[in-house]
Amino acid sequence: AQSVTQLDSQVPVFEEAPVELRCNYSSSVSVYLFWYVQYPNQGLQLLLKYLSGSTLVKGINGFEAEFNKSQTSFHLRKPSVHISDTAEYFCAVSRAFGNEKLTFGTGTRLTIIP
Amino acid sequence: DAMVIQNPRYQVTQFGKPVTLSCSQTLNHNVMYWYQQKSSQAPKLLFHYYDKDFNNEADTPDNFQSRRPNTSFCFLDIRSPGLGDAAMYLCATSRGFAGGGSYEQYFGPGTRLTVT
Repeated sequence: AQSVTQLDSQVPVFEEAPVELRCNYSSSVSVYLFWYVQYPNQGLQLLLKYLSGSTLVKGINGFEAEFNKSQTSFHLRKPSVHISDTAEYFCAVSRAFGNEKLTFGTGTRLTIIP
Repeated sequence: DAMVIQNPRYQVTQFGKPVTLSCSQTLNHNVMYWYQQKSSQAPKLLFHYYDKDFNNEADTPDNFQSRRPNTSFCFLDIRSPGLGDAAMYLCATSRGFAGGGSYEQYFGPGTRLTVT
């Protein structure tokens, strides 16, 4: 089975500052990794995903994440945040090639301070 | 635009009164999921359909049931809602194995259920 840990439940950041949201996973098999964003009273929207290949993946809204197999991490980064980035961010993992279920982390609430 | 649609967005029901939430998709995806999300928590998978095959999570209460009459529609039935069932209910879809096995999920906007 897979598991995901998001150590930071809340991250406050000043507007235009960089941000990193941390995600670590555990799995004995190859995995796919995802970051989703959820705005208030909305569903989840995919920010980016890692399936294979380049370990640095770029997503929407200027976000990127780096897959680090040795550290079993998939941290999300943005060089300069905006007020509109205020939201809940979920890291998720699935077993590669054969499991249609996602395991979500507990989420990180990103608050942008003007 | 292809999408996942959930109706209604807000639903109020009385304690013990059956309620049905609906989800439809125009993506023609094989897999449809129902999640329960309580405040400040991660989505919790209740069950999913892979085509017509129903897959229930072991810890999903019997009070929750689902129907998928065709590819496009999926329903969540709560037979006797309790106060603890108040939550956001999210529907999601994925292509399944036909999509290359990544199982990237596409979410609807959710239905917020209030139990009075």
